[in-house]
Amino acid sequence: QVHLVQSGAEVKKPGASVKVSCKASGYTFSRYSMHWVRQAPGERLEWMGWINAGTGNIRYSQKFQDRVTITRDTSASTDYMELSSLRSEDTAIYFCARDYRTMDLSGYFDYWGQGTLLTVSS
Amino acid sequence: DIVMTQSPDSLAVSLGERVTISCKSSQSVLYTSNTKNYLAWYQQKPGQPPKLLIYWASTRESGVPDRFSGSGSGTDFTLTISSLQAEDVAAYYCQQYLSTPLTFGGGTKVEIK
Repeated sequence: QVHLVQSGAEVKKPGASVKVSCKASGYTFSRYSMHWVRQAPGERLEWMGWINAGTGNIRYSQKFQDRVTITRDTSASTDYMELSSLRSEDTAIYFCARDYRTMDLSGYFDYWGQGTLLTVSS
Repeated sequence: DIVMTQSPDSLAVSLGERVTISCKSSQSVLYTSNTKNYLAWYQQKPGQPPKLLIYWASTRESGVPDRFSGSGSGTDFTLTISSLQAEDVAAYYCQQYLSTPLTFGGGTKVEIK
């Protein structure tokens, strides 16, 4: 059974960084790409970026290009999303979401982590 | 960026009644080379992550009840719940995956009247 388990809630001050983890189990981790999506209060779901399992390429939304880093530790079956220069508008739930397709990208998501609440406040 | 616009923002429907949710994209998400619409629908219940319902605009994900259906092409899409059940109370989101950034609609909240 596929599980994506994310790290716990974080409280950060403006200007700080946060690193969220997403540990996968129940499938061959290296064969699937992973996306990161966030959901701010009252806002729509927002795609942040992906890591392509087939090519190793990482792509970010231009909105977050300068502040986000997605990495993968295949030996630990874990993906990471680090967001820097935090501001209050980054307060949101952050999700990892598995891409539907193996060794490639489809762009839609079949399994999601439980979400990690990030609160940015001074 | 492709902007996804859903309507209505919310609706209340009696149990057993039909629910129709609209999703419009600012540009076509139909890829002419394969004639596929790059459009998915998700259901999100409070405190839970989204759940995939439909992809390629009309293909139901495995395990999704057949009362959920998707239709449309190009820029206009519809999610239909043929007979609303209590467990369908949730927010519903459309998403385009034709181009990056992948983008979502603003969501439609479905409640019981």
